[in-house]
Amino acid sequence: DGGITQSPKYLFRKEGQNVTLSCEQNLNHDAMYWYRQDPGQGLRLIYYSQIVNDFQKGDIAEGYSVSREKKESFPLTVTSAQKNPTAFYLCASSPAQGNTGELFFGEGSRLTVL
Amino acid sequence: SQQGEEDPQALSIQEGENATMNCSYKTSINNLQWYRQNSGRGLVHLILIRSNEREKHSGRLRVTLDTSKKSSSLLITASRAADTASYFCATVKDSNYQLIWGAGTKLIIKP
Repeated sequence: DGGITQSPKYLFRKEGQNVTLSCEQNLNHDAMYWYRQDPGQGLRLIYYSQIVNDFQKGDIAEGYSVSREKKESFPLTVTSAQKNPTAFYLCASSPAQGNTGELFFGEGSRLTVL
Repeated sequence: SQQGEEDPQALSIQEGENATMNCSYKTSINNLQWYRQNSGRGLVHLILIRSNEREKHSGRLRVTLDTSKKSSSLLITASRAADTASYFCATVKDSNYQLIWGAGTKLIIKP
């Protein structure tokens, strides 16, 4: 089945550690996104990529990094510079550059800092 | 930055009743989308309405768009317990394909 797979679903991190969240899609979509969701708030864009080997900062990129070496993969690293990383992280994709249509989401990864 | 604002923040109704949620936004848009999120899960796209459309239907869903008032509404008819979820609106600006999200309406359907 086509879709977006995020892993791990739950992740615990000690302060000062970097962690990487995985996002893989087999929808052949060009664009991929990372969002952060906090309780009672809407989604906030961290990074997005419209094409392989290119990505752009979103509204809250500080303390995060990404790579887009393959079309199918868009991993997100939460670095120790991110001061409040506990949140629900959502990866999404869409078919084409400049697409104004729907986003397809993964099931999310919940990160908790201990 | 957040543009869409859903109203109400939370809504609790009896199964079988209709549920109406509203979304307001601030700038001109290319389209407006509604998504659903079950607790602890990813979002699922429900419906997209373009700026030149006024109403759209999909099954038990009815979406309206009033660009003069910069607002949209989502109506779920004959609600079911399985409709319990959070519902988000997202707008796409004319010159920018990025979605801007509201904070969502939490809908609870009581059996």
